[in-house]
Amino acid sequence: DAGITQSPRHKVTETGTPVTLRCHQTENHRYMYWYRQDPGHGLRLIHYSYGVKDTDKGEVSDGYSVSRSKTEDFLLTLESATSSQTSVYFCAISEADRDAEAFFGQGTRLTVV
Amino acid sequence: AQKITQTQPGMFVQEKEAVTLDCTYDTSDPSYGLFWYKQPSSGEMIFLIYQGSYDQQNATEGRYSLNFQKARKSANLVISASQLGDSAMYFCAMRDPLTGNQFYFGTGTSLTVIP
Repeated sequence: DAGITQSPRHKVTETGTPVTLRCHQTENHRYMYWYRQDPGHGLRLIHYSYGVKDTDKGEVSDGYSVSRSKTEDFLLTLESATSSQTSVYFCAISEADRDAEAFFGQGTRLTVV
Repeated sequence: AQKITQTQPGMFVQEKEAVTLDCTYDTSDPSYGLFWYKQPSSGEMIFLIYQGSYDQQNATEGRYSLNFQKARKSANLVISASQLGDSAMYFCAMRDPLTGNQFYFGTGTSLTVIP
């Protein structure tokens, strides 16, 4: 199994508070991703990174920011959490090869009340 | 924009029977890769099978196979001899053909295997 760990696994937070989710990998993969999963929407990309300090937006990036200061860590920050950001968040990693699959973390269930 | 479509929100199959989960995709690039993932009720995402656009044969992995029809832009997952443990959500995905930077996912199909 790919070494990818998300923390925390569960979090409940209040509207308007900042929240940071962490993704840590031990595989030295170049690409790291943050997805959110909501019923009826599948997985939607929030942000991704293709190297240290190299990040780009996905289709649902509003309200989120990311940072990657080390190869192994990719942080997702909700600057001011809203109820619409209640979701399950998945981190994924992949190698650069076009035929390489993505490996997923266990997911973080975030509830904004 | 790249797009993955899964038109079956839910499917049922009798144990030991085969089932086909549909996936169509949209891209104008001739080189691309397609992936299938399984998500059981425990929540983890499990990679099942990969098909490259230039692969001459349909991909197979154990009881999983891909019915790849390039002209129709479809990459249907076939599960043979269904087992109770196959009950899960299944997602089809495509890696961005132009940049390889991201994966696009369909909305998934929920499969229930009936004893």
